[in-house]
Amino acid sequence: SQQGEEDPQALSIQEGENATMNCSYKTSINNLQWYRQNSGRGLVHLILIRSNEREKHSGRLRVTLDTSKKSSSLLITASRAADTASYFCATDPSYGKLTFGQGTILTVHP
Amino acid sequence: GAGVSQSPRYKVAKRGQDVALRCDPISGHVSLFWYQQALGQGPEFLTYFQNEAQLDKSGLPSDRFFAERPEGSVSTLKIQRTQQEDSAVYLCASSPPLWRLEPSRSYEQYFGPGTRLTVT
Repeated sequence: SQQGEEDPQALSIQEGENATMNCSYKTSINNLQWYRQNSGRGLVHLILIRSNEREKHSGRLRVTLDTSKKSSSLLITASRAADTASYFCATDPSYGKLTFGQGTILTVHP
Repeated sequence: GAGVSQSPRYKVAKRGQDVALRCDPISGHVSLFWYQQALGQGPEFLTYFQNEAQLDKSGLPSDRFFAERPEGSVSTLKIQRTQQEDSAVYLCASSPPLWRLEPSRSYEQYFGPGTRLTVT
């Protein structure tokens, strides 16, 4: 069963705009990770945030984590057409047994 | 270096057939994971190996599913007597031993391209 709920299920924006995706989860975690999946491909790791961290940046990505609300958000700034993909959050309770959300399908129009 | 590879990339099986899906992890990666991804859904955990030891198989849907990693490198996921509900993409992921990692890189998993199984 899926641990997380992702919101929105689909997001359509213009190039240059920011995209924000949200993830909620149910149980305690060691860390939370975000992955990207292009159509027909495997998943690519984007960023990991530990349970004792509140915010993390990597290039155009910004992730926040609120463990009291059991939620996280992924912000992609200045989006590009190449960012078009499905984005998944995944919670890790300890050794890497990831539990994924259902994903957000992001479409960036040139 | 080479990433995680999986074969075959596509498999069509008639209901009732047995299938074997192969995963070649990144060399030196200790941990190996199998996930099942149904259409339009996120991946769901099936099983986990550390070297050759299968430490968690709680996600395997039934006793028709069996995974092995006899020498601690290549892994095979076998599905016996396939059913239509087994149709999905099967993803393999590996991660390095924790002692090799910088703390900020812990637990990142490297995924293969997946095997799309269609049971007719």
